[in-house]
Amino acid sequence: GENVEQHPSTLSVQEGDSAVIKCTYSDSASNYFPWYKQELGKRPQLIIDIRSNVGEKKDQRIAVTLNKTAKHFSLHITETQPEDSAVYFCAARASNTGKLIFGQGTTLQVKP
Amino acid sequence: GAVVSQHPSRVICKSGTSVKIECRSLDFQATTMFWYRQFPKKSLMLMATSNEGSKATYEQGVEKDKFLINHASLTLSTLTVTSAHPEDSSFYICSARDIVRSGALNEQFFGPGTRLTVL
Repeated sequence: GENVEQHPSTLSVQEGDSAVIKCTYSDSASNYFPWYKQELGKRPQLIIDIRSNVGEKKDQRIAVTLNKTAKHFSLHITETQPEDSAVYFCAARASNTGKLIFGQGTTLQVKP
Repeated sequence: GAVVSQHPSRVICKSGTSVKIECRSLDFQATTMFWYRQFPKKSLMLMATSNEGSKATYEQGVEKDKFLINHASLTLSTLTVTSAHPEDSSFYICSARDIVRSGALNEQFFGPGTRLTVL
């Protein structure tokens, strides 16, 4: 079945450094790849997404890259700030089922 | 973006009782809604896909008689946890897509979640 693997599970960086979170997916029918930030007890908040016909997308300090051949996609956060500290989830959605499958999550800690 | 609401936001019940959670799309029609469960410090696990006017599709390992889903209208899906037990305590989140307005490859909107605690 569909599966999304996310690494690392925890990530600690100094303020101002970059953070990279990587995901792989198993379903070749996946064509939409969002990234979410989740605060404790809150709903996931979409921070950036990418479609399968695009290799890279950037929005200010956040960027996502997609390698369809390898079924890899990554989140890059530059110039990290303490308020970036949260749990981040990648997800993949298959065009045929519409189901959004989540990775295991990464707890990012940005130390001031 | 589109708004999805959930009710209640928090519920505490005794073991053996049933709990109903409502998920509403407030400003769009959702032919399909999704129900997720999230345990503390864990990921969102898809439980079922709720289809308006037809039976829900459950993920492997999710008991359909335990988690009853009804999608009676284009703006409302309900999840009923029947005969709840302490192990059912979790954060339940619904989501929906506004396919009509934005096309097929569009954002999925999440409800605020329902915290269920079974004593």
